[in-house]
Amino acid sequence: ETGVTQTPRHLVMGMTNKKSLKCEQHLGHNAMYWYKQSAKKPLELMFVYSLEERVENNSVPSRFSPECPNSSHLFLHLHTLQPEDSALYLCASSQDIGTSGGWALGQFFGPGTRLTVL
Amino acid sequence: RKEVEQDPGPFNVPEGATVAFNCTYSNSASQSFFWYRQDCRKEPKLLMSVYSSGNEDGRFTAQLNRASQYISLLIRDSKLSDSATYLCVVKIQGAQKLVFGQGTRLTINP
Repeated sequence: ETGVTQTPRHLVMGMTNKKSLKCEQHLGHNAMYWYKQSAKKPLELMFVYSLEERVENNSVPSRFSPECPNSSHLFLHLHTLQPEDSALYLCASSQDIGTSGGWALGQFFGPGTRLTVL
Repeated sequence: RKEVEQDPGPFNVPEGATVAFNCTYSNSASQSFFWYRQDCRKEPKLLMSVYSSGNEDGRFTAQLNRASQYISLLIRDSKLSDSATYLCVVKIQGAQKLVFGQGTRLTINP
């Protein structure tokens, strides 16, 4: 596998279910991100992990719980979601070396998980 | 005011035409700039970084105007395959994140 992979690609869950989204990056990057993309809205950053430490939590409800066990894997644990949480959830990675040089390469995205909450 | 603002379009142009998008950003501490492309129901992909002196990649030209705080993307000799949503993206100095614009939807017609 190359690049950034995400599983599952599609998920339908009820409001009382607990599920997890998985992301894996094969690029040797040291930073990983979760984004939410709803219809006709800009990408919303949810969480940032740099060197496996959470460095940003963008006022995300506690029903979303991230986990980063190592620099290649990122999880998003979901519980008691609401129908308005239905969206495309995108994972991304980048090489953050603390200089603009690293950022010149931007972020690489996975294909996303399309989540529907009933 | 939005941190990154784009005209959402849609832009409908004939194949072979030249099309330009502008994007404005509000934070003067913005450090790095990018254009991403997102096809329908797919993930965003980096199209090109935008450098201070402007840069070109084939039919695509990006320009940065720091004084007016806007960046632009020019597509020459447009192809049907250029149909997509183009996202303007900014990195703020000292922030560990990218800020995405809403995107401009482009459709190239045969």
